[in-house]
Amino acid sequence: DAGITQSPRHKVTETGTPVTLRCHQTENHRYMYWYRQDPGHGLRLIHYSYGVKDTDKGEVSDGYSVSRSKTEDFLLTLESATSSQTSVYFCAISGGGYQETQYFGPGTRLLVL
Amino acid sequence: GQNIDQPTEMTATEGAIVQINCTYQTSGFNGLFWYQQHAGEAPTFLSYNVLDGLEEKGRFSSFLSRSKGYSYLLLKELQMKDSASYLCAVSRSNDYKLSFGAGTTVTVRA
Repeated sequence: DAGITQSPRHKVTETGTPVTLRCHQTENHRYMYWYRQDPGHGLRLIHYSYGVKDTDKGEVSDGYSVSRSKTEDFLLTLESATSSQTSVYFCAISGGGYQETQYFGPGTRLLVL
Repeated sequence: GQNIDQPTEMTATEGAIVQINCTYQTSGFNGLFWYQQHAGEAPTFLSYNVLDGLEEKGRFSSFLSRSKGYSYLLLKELQMKDSASYLCAVSRSNDYKLSFGAGTTVTVRA
């Protein structure tokens, strides 16, 4: 299994509070991704990174920001959480090039009240 | 944009065969992935097809037709542990992102 961890694994927060989720990898992979998964929608890409300090938006990026200051860490921040951001968040990594298979972390369940 | 369709649910009997279809429409198509996801867990990689044809991996096989924009995942000799959601995802050339279908929930009954 790819070495990917996410923290926290579960979080309950209130509307309007900031939340940061962390993804940590030990594979030295170049690409990292944040997805959210909701019933009926499958996995939707929020943001991704193609290197340290290099990030770009996915299809559902509104209300989210990311940062990657080290190869191994990719942070997802909800600046002001809303109930619509209640979801399961998955981080994924890939090596790029011919190693484009993505491997997923265990996920973070976020509940915004 | 990309349009990826797969059935929402399928039910089959232990020991039987189930075929999960996935159709897609995308520009610059490169390859197609299948992932398995058990309830409450992360998706895990099953297969990757780039060329037309059938790729067999034990009880699981995956097929791709690039000209038809069509793939299927074939699960043989179904076991109870195969009850899960199966996700189809497409990649595009020079684009290290995946677009996922909504997933097919397979229930295996005794």
